Amino acid sequence: DAGVIQSPRHEVTEMGQEVTLRCKPISGHDYLFWYRQTMMRGLELLIYFNNNVPIDDSGMPEDRFSAKMPNASFSTLKIQPSEPRDSAVYFCASRTRLAGGIDTQYFGPGTRLTVL
Amino acid sequence: GNSVTQMEGPVTLSEEAFLTINCTYTATGYPSLFWYVQYPGEGLQLLLKATKADDKGSNKGFEATYRKETTSFHLEKGSVQVSDSAVYFCALSDRGNTGKLIFGQGTTLQVKP
Repeated sequence: DAGVIQSPRHEVTEMGQEVTLRCKPISGHDYLFWYRQTMMRGLELLIYFNNNVPIDDSGMPEDRFSAKMPNASFSTLKIQPSEPRDSAVYFCASRTRLAGGIDTQYFGPGTRLTVL
Repeated sequence: GNSVTQMEGPVTLSEEAFLTINCTYTATGYPSLFWYVQYPGEGLQLLLKATKADDKGSNKGFEATYRKETTSFHLEKGSVQVSDSAVYFCALSDRGNTGKLIFGQGTTLQVKP
């Protein structure tokens, strides 16, 4: 299994530009999570999906952020317009709920975003 | 609401020293508990987990026991190695249908040769 795949691994952009981060979850996983990690705020849950439907987006910082999951194998996190304070590492994670099993999230390698 | 509190870092140890990273939680019901590890430049990896009181999770020499009476899940290792240097996150998952993990703030461990 390839694990959770994220692209790009590194992104450097200028303030005001649109940024799109991509995630491919593990095949068969029905939950997908987007996190942001910074030194100041630690690991924050931004939004998560179940069966491609957004369930909780209360962690999305503001309207500049949007996330979609058009199908079970792909999700995007978009920032438009980007600002320097959006600089962070963004992680995607996926999970499947097994009957009577343990909920375990599997993380991708992250996208390091730098907004100049 | 549910929350996880970890001991402040960074923790600096010499190789072969004993490690304890404290983790306590607040939760309703009976959550599952996890330790994740993040090596430099990588994503989080599941280290170990426990689903009910008195369960002991273990992996790679690390252990943690689910203590309901003290609402704790402390991470221990008898002899750390330089390669254990990483950030360690304690987390809980509620037994409802939210699918969410609640993470602690992370504890940085640095092991010196």
